[in-house]
Amino acid sequence: SQKIEQNSEALNIQEGKTATLTCNYTNYSPAYLQWYRQDPGRGPVFLLLIRENEKEKRKERLKVTFDTTLKQSLFHITASQPADSATYLCALNQGGKLIFGQGTELSVKP
Amino acid sequence: EPEVTQTPSHQVTQMGQEVILRCVPISNHLYFYWYRQILGQKVEFLVSFYNNEISEKSEIFDDQFSVERPDGSNFTLKIRSTKLEDSAMYFCASSERAGENEKLFFGSGTQLSVL
Repeated sequence: SQKIEQNSEALNIQEGKTATLTCNYTNYSPAYLQWYRQDPGRGPVFLLLIRENEKEKRKERLKVTFDTTLKQSLFHITASQPADSATYLCALNQGGKLIFGQGTELSVKP
Repeated sequence: EPEVTQTPSHQVTQMGQEVILRCVPISNHLYFYWYRQILGQKVEFLVSFYNNEISEKSEIFDDQFSVERPDGSNFTLKIRSTKLEDSAMYFCASSERAGENEKLFFGSGTQLSVL
């Protein structure tokens, strides 16, 4: 069956450290993968998109990798700040729709 | 910055009643979507809409659901006869294009509670 799996346990880190979140998928062949941020009671907010032929994408303190052999994407936030605390969702395309993982909750402590 | 707006933010209804959730997508966007999120669960795709017709729909989107773009700005989701299990946060989203450059802009959602 098709699955998208993200760390189900919340990730707690200290301010200034790098947060690394994982997204694994099975039985999909996405042309691209996206990462979104979701705050409580709010809609997801787009962060980054990475295509299947791209190994790495960066935007300010964010970095995403995409390994189609391992069927895995890693999402890094460097120099993390308490304001980065949120749930981070990976999403991949299947035809004309995005399929979301269940998200990983990140908590950055001062 | 342009944003997707949804109304109402909260809707409480009795089981069996009809509800209409409303959305105003970003003005130059051509692709429109409804997603829902049951408390503590994943964001789930319901339906996509382009050029005044449904492009794709999920198994959740049965004949109790319908979507409409009644004018040039609004995009609505109707649930004809609500069930308890329809209780969820419903998100509208829009995108300028589809395919590999697609990124979705989501509204803040309508929290639907069916009693």
